[in-house]
Amino acid sequence: AQKVTQAQTEISVVEKEDVTLDCVYETRDTTYYLFWYKQPPSGELVFLIRRNSFDEQNEISGRYSWNFQKSTSSFNFTITASQVVDSAVYFCALSGLSGGSNYKLTFGKGTLLTVNP
Amino acid sequence: KAGVTQTPRYLIKTRGQQVTLSCSPISGHRSVSWYQQTPGQGLQFLFEYFSETQRNKGNFPGRFSGRQFSNSRSEMNVSTLELGDSALYLCASSLGQRTGANVLTFGAGSRLTVL
Repeated sequence: AQKVTQAQTEISVVEKEDVTLDCVYETRDTTYYLFWYKQPPSGELVFLIRRNSFDEQNEISGRYSWNFQKSTSSFNFTITASQVVDSAVYFCALSGLSGGSNYKLTFGKGTLLTVNP
Repeated sequence: KAGVTQTPRYLIKTRGQQVTLSCSPISGHRSVSWYQQTPGQGLQFLFEYFSETQRNKGNFPGRFSGRQFSNSRSEMNVSTLELGDSALYLCASSLGQRTGANVLTFGAGSRLTVL
């Protein structure tokens, strides 16, 4: 079975602070994919990044960066110099055969990030 | 290009009724997935269709069903509604690759309230 844990239910920061959202996963697969999605108040989940299990290189995209560490089964997401528009619920997700199918995502419970002006 | 379109966006039903939700995927996407989102259970997988065939089903009772048409549009149906079915139902489309690498593009959801 697969599991994704986002231990931080809610985080509140002041604009321009850096913030890291934690994601820990469990899987028996050797090949799997990890994702981060953002859900703003409008409700639509927006894709941010996909990482496969064989690529542990960290990635940076503007103010966003991701740290993937297989040794600790973690895929953490950092927002640098946060902005009010970053306020949303962020979900970490996992796909792989041990989850029952390659065709579905197992989501964490999400972290509500509030960035205050 | 147009995104994933879900209709209706909001609906209110009473217990015992049934509901049908519709999803139009991104052009060229042959896979459509459905997820239920509730405050208590979070995002849970309902089912996935590819070329009119259900490839995977989540752990939901038989009251939840779906189908996909030849143009890749999909519908899901919930019969004999219960209060606990109140949720945001999200549809997502993708290319449907076998590898698990699929990036899902989500619609804005259909918010169902059961009274």
